[in-house]
Amino acid sequence: DADVTQTPRNRITKTGKRIMLECSQTKGHDRMYWYRQDPGLGLRLIYYSFDVKDINKGEISDGYSVSRQAQAKFSLSLESAIPNQTALYFCATSGGQGGNQPQHFGDGTRLSIL
Amino acid sequence: DQQVKQNSPSLSVQEGRISILNCDYTNSMFDYFLWYKKYPAEGPTFLISISSIKDKNEDGRFTVFLNKSAKHLSLHIVPSQPGDSAVYFCAASEGDNDMRFGAGTRLTVKP
Repeated sequence: DADVTQTPRNRITKTGKRIMLECSQTKGHDRMYWYRQDPGLGLRLIYYSFDVKDINKGEISDGYSVSRQAQAKFSLSLESAIPNQTALYFCATSGGQGGNQPQHFGDGTRLSIL
Repeated sequence: DQQVKQNSPSLSVQEGRISILNCDYTNSMFDYFLWYKKYPAEGPTFLISISSIKDKNEDGRFTVFLNKSAKHLSLHIVPSQPGDSAVYFCAASEGDNDMRFGAGTRLTVKP
């Protein structure tokens, strides 16, 4: 079983819909992250959480919200989806000081907004 | 602004030869650098890292070099194998701050 699991793997939806992407991990890591990948731009950080009571905005948080329901679960919501949020979304975890530990990624959610 | 840049979107090399992937950064406060490898339909996986106190780190066929004065790092793969064909992301962070990624370089190793 994967250490970092993202659901759904693919989603097509319409502009204005509310969407939730879920991430769960079995690594026991405190730190969790949400990124989006766009062609030519690499991965950009949306939100991150260092523990259950901690939520921080990343580089591109506008239009997104997150919830850290438990140490193992971190969900990303798009309250009212727009077409430029079409991207590949990755969840990641890390076990220590975030800057000095590699992150472990899920296999991604491909989101298309029509 | 992109603080981590990979200026070559793609690289093609022959099996058995050396692959050199390059990465430049603008933030002189970055103190930890990593390379990730990504296959299609999978998430990035950690490959190798280097701290700013070092200028070289080696792990089997993979070596990362860091030139702080030039704000440049590179990943050498020797010898290259067809299974190394993937997208490679360079990443950097400053202390406990969030990690910044480059746009990636697609490596193709031809048999």
